[in-house]
Amino acid sequence: DQQVKQNSPSLSVQEGRISILNCDYTNSMFDYFLWYKKYPAEGPTFLISISSIKDKNEDGRFTVFLNKSAKHLSLHIVPSQPGDSAVYFCAASISGTYKYIFGTGTRLKVLA
Amino acid sequence: DSGVTQTPKHLITATGQRVTLRCSPRSGDLSVYWYQQSLDQGLQFLIQYYNGEERAKGNILERFSAQQFPDLHSELNLSSLELGDSALYFCASSPGLAGGQFFGPGTRLTVL
Repeated sequence: DQQVKQNSPSLSVQEGRISILNCDYTNSMFDYFLWYKKYPAEGPTFLISISSIKDKNEDGRFTVFLNKSAKHLSLHIVPSQPGDSAVYFCAASISGTYKYIFGTGTRLKVLA
Repeated sequence: DSGVTQTPKHLITATGQRVTLRCSPRSGDLSVYWYQQSLDQGLQFLIQYYNGEERAKGNILERFSAQQFPDLHSELNLSSLELGDSALYFCASSPGLAGGQFFGPGTRLTVL
């Protein structure tokens, strides 16, 4: 049972436009969410996180939105740059458990 | 470079064998996490150690074990290896019990 789902395996976006990566979860107990970026032959890199007490968190070009009622979060990258081309993973956890459940990833390609 | 080091980078072995993967966390980080990424799968959380103590356990097989040493480095031991154990094994670290994690480059294990 995949508790964290990234239903789009891939996404292509033109440079300078907005990239929107989506993630759905099934466990309503999840209260902490993270996004990671992964380049080939490297480990994932932490990008941004959000706690369930907020519905938005922003860090530079990256904004994460959380819709608890829909059990949905999204990562917005504005403006998208070719260097953003990577696989993006969302992850969820329940505070105090220290277990992180990852989605299967979305491959983003930013076209120059 | 995340500051997390993993050795070896690649490991090829036969079924039934035992291997040890090693991880050195970032300087100052007390938590170490182990993940498995099989082909076409997301990251599967295996286990977390904090300051030498096991704090969380995920889908870790009984054939697998881990420990964190007083100098905070960690080892993941995989025994009675099967073909299905072939995967990328990532180690990650974080300063505390929760929050964004910093991933190492991974160890690619191939079981023949």
